[in-house]
Amino acid sequence: DVKVTQSSRYLVKRTGEKVFLECVQDMDHENMFWYRQDPGLGLRLIYFSYDVKMKEKGDIPEGYSVSREKKERFSLILESASTNQTSMYLCASSLSLGHLGETQYFGPGTRLLVL
Amino acid sequence: GESVGLHLPTLSVQEGDNSIINCAYSNSASDYFIWYKQESGKGPQFIIDIRSNMDKRQGQRVTVLLNKTVKHLSLQIAATQPGDSAVYFCAENIGGYSTLTFGKGTMLLVSP
Repeated sequence: DVKVTQSSRYLVKRTGEKVFLECVQDMDHENMFWYRQDPGLGLRLIYFSYDVKMKEKGDIPEGYSVSREKKERFSLILESASTNQTSMYLCASSLSLGHLGETQYFGPGTRLLVL
Repeated sequence: GESVGLHLPTLSVQEGDNSIINCAYSNSASDYFIWYKQESGKGPQFIIDIRSNMDKRQGQRVTVLLNKTVKHLSLQIAATQPGDSAVYFCAENIGGYSTLTFGKGTMLLVSP
């Protein structure tokens, strides 16, 4: 079974703090993704990575950065947290099949509250 | 706590009924589709997938139907149980790209 874990289930931070969200997958997947999920807006892609040290912007990268130093780990960084970044953050991974579409496997999510 | 189910269309069924959840996808070039289930406070869980060279695929108690003519996908759940209560959403992929496009979801409520 694919296992994607996220470092925290719940986080409370203050405006202006630097926030790190960690994600680890144990299936040697090439691709990793960070999403946020908000009521009425569905899942929105923040950043993804298709290889170590590689990153690509998703649909809403502003205010976020990412780091992928090891294949199994993908970190999401909020440089200076703001209240509009209060959300559920979901990490996912997938095996790279080249030209074929593939399933993404999700972690349990981190619910972040920025005060 | 706050639920991802807010503002979603809702399907309410009785235990034992069959449920059908629908999804209209946007891109005629999409060639791979996935259904996910998300329970409150948890991450999305893979249910079943289908490629565009198929019209139907069956799993355990679930069937996915794909109609490429009208760009429509449906998930059928047989003998729905209270444990099936969750938000269900579809995702589509265009071959050659790693990213998925997700639907907004439908909340399924199953009454005992």
